[in-house]
Amino acid sequence: SAVISQKPSRDICQRGTSLTIQCQVDSQVTMMFWYRQQPGQSLTLIATANQGSEATYESGFVIDKFPISRPNLTFSTLTVSNMSPEDSSIYLCSALRLAGYNEQFFGPGTRLTVL
Amino acid sequence: AQSVTQPDIHITVSEGASLELRCNYSYGATPYLFWYVQSPGQGLQLLLKYFSGDTLVQGIKGFEAEFKRSQSSFNLRKPSVHWSDAAEYFCAVGAGQAGTALIFGKGTTLSVSS
Repeated sequence: SAVISQKPSRDICQRGTSLTIQCQVDSQVTMMFWYRQQPGQSLTLIATANQGSEATYESGFVIDKFPISRPNLTFSTLTVSNMSPEDSSIYLCSALRLAGYNEQFFGPGTRLTVL
Repeated sequence: AQSVTQPDIHITVSEGASLELRCNYSYGATPYLFWYVQSPGQGLQLLLKYFSGDTLVQGIKGFEAEFKRSQSSFNLRKPSVHWSDAAEYFCAVGAGQAGTALIFGKGTTLSVSS
């Protein structure tokens, strides 16, 4: 199994500012992902965080708005840039190892409120 | 395009009664299928997964799910519901590389009445 922590757990931000969310896994993983869960909604994949290279973004998400880094096998960051109230969501990090397709573990999420 | 449909937004079941949560998927290849549970204020926990083989899959907390290719369904069942099962349940299909990018349904909220 893998234990995932996220920082901050929640934040309230002003529109136009940016917030960087950190995701730390307690062991090396093959893949890391970032999801968004808007209020009362399901989870939507934002991007796959690739180690040492640019993230792979899903349709509707762009690097300028959601820059992602993954400098090593256990850590990733997601930045929500130039925030607006529509960015108020829970942002979740997930991780898995591809050997035998282990379970995809999710972090506890970061609850973001943009005023 | 891949998609997951959970037709029931909210279900209420009496404690001790049986439960079935519906999930239909749309996916071109053999799907990787998952059920996750999210309790209030908690993260997502995997209940069970299907990759291949036996179409009846056993999971944690007494849950099981049956993959039916002809119906494109992966319904979650539990024979006797406990009050602690009240939560949000998400069905997901794995897309992308080795089915690792999850596409989630909108979720079903389960309430348990005493």
